[in-house]
Amino acid sequence: DQQVKQNSPSLSVQEGRISILNCDYTNSMFDYFLWYKKYPAEGPTFLISISSIKDKNEDGRFTVFLNKSAKHLSLHIVPSQPGDSAVYFCAASGSQGGSEKLVFGKGTKLTVNP
Amino acid sequence: KAGVTQTPRYLIKTRGQQVTLSCSPISGHRSVSWYQQTPGQGLQFLFEYFSETQRNKGNFPGRFSGRQFSNSRSEMNVSTLELGDSALYLCASSPQTASYEQYFGPGTRLTVT
Repeated sequence: DQQVKQNSPSLSVQEGRISILNCDYTNSMFDYFLWYKKYPAEGPTFLISISSIKDKNEDGRFTVFLNKSAKHLSLHIVPSQPGDSAVYFCAASGSQGGSEKLVFGKGTKLTVNP
Repeated sequence: KAGVTQTPRYLIKTRGQQVTLSCSPISGHRSVSWYQQTPGQGLQFLFEYFSETQRNKGNFPGRFSGRQFSNSRSEMNVSTLELGDSALYLCASSPQTASYEQYFGPGTRLTVT
């Protein structure tokens, strides 16, 4: 039972355009959401996060939107750059059966074409 | 500050053997989590240690175990290796619990033949 879902395994966009990566979750106990970026042969690196008390968080070219009623979050990258090409993981955290842990989606591979 | 380090980076083992992977967290971080990454399953949580105590455990068989030392370094052990254990094993550290931003190491690529 996958609690965090990234339904698009891959996404391709042109340099300078907007990249939108989507993530859905099923557990209403999740209260903190994160995005990680992973290059080949490296570990994931933290990108941006959002608490469930907010609906938007912005950091430079990266903005995360949270729609709690739809249990959906998205990561917007504007403008997209070739260096953004990587696998992006959505992750969620919150109390689950009395303990907290980070649950990751399967990732979306973003390719930004020059 | 030095990042999270993992040793070895690559490992080849045969079925039935056991393996021990090591992780050194960022200085001052007390939480260490382990993840298994495979192409079809993404990152799957194995366990988390905080101050030498296992706080959380994922849905993996008992062949997967770990421990944390007083200096926060952690080891992960897999016994009786199976072909399906071939994966990238990632270690992540954070100052507090696993629910906060985690800093990942480069991983250990384990191949079981």
